[in-house]
Amino acid sequence: AQTVTQSQPEMSVQEAETVTLSCTYDTSESNYYLFWYKQPPSRQMILVIRQEAYKQQNATENRFSVNFQKAAKSFSLKISDSQLGDTAMYFCAFMKRAQGAQKLVFGQGTRLTINP
Amino acid sequence: KAGVTQTPRYLIKTRGQQVTLSCSPISGHRSVSWYQQTPGQGLQFLFEYFSETQRNKGNFPGRFSGRQFSNSRSEMNVSTLELGDSALYLCASSLGGRAGTLLDTQYFGPGTRLTVL
Repeated sequence: AQTVTQSQPEMSVQEAETVTLSCTYDTSESNYYLFWYKQPPSRQMILVIRQEAYKQQNATENRFSVNFQKAAKSFSLKISDSQLGDTAMYFCAFMKRAQGAQKLVFGQGTRLTINP
Repeated sequence: KAGVTQTPRYLIKTRGQQVTLSCSPISGHRSVSWYQQTPGQGLQFLFEYFSETQRNKGNFPGRFSGRQFSNSRSEMNVSTLELGDSALYLCASSLGGRAGTLLDTQYFGPGTRLTVL
């Protein structure tokens, strides 16, 4: 079974600062996907960024980028130039890359607060 | 393109009752997954449907069931409600079907907040 661990329950930074959220996972699979979702106070789960494990290049989406270390089973999210709207719970998630394997395994989340 | 919609958004029931939640996926998406979110257990996978068939099931009792219709809309049902069933129930849809590609990326609806009294 796969497990996902987010070791930082809460983080707080000032607007415009850069912040990095940590995520580690445990799996015996060699092919999989990793995701970061954010859940603002509205509770709507929003996809932030995704990474295919077989790709060595780290994914980036505007101010969001990941540091994917496959051997270390680490998948951290970096938010640059943080904005007040980035305040949310952030969840790291794992999905096996296999037909019909539509199951996301989530970490416990990191509550990120961006202060003005 | 419209996102995933869930109805109702809020629901209050009493112990022993049953409840049905509905999810309409993004147009063209054929896979619908359900998750339960609670403060204590976090986000847990309930089940996933594709082409009206349950493909995956999480570790939940038989009181939790679901189905999918030919238009890919899905419903989940919880019978004999318990206090511990109070949670946010999230539905997610994806294109699905093709083996293991980023087409499997799941997009979530706003959730249904269920309170059991």
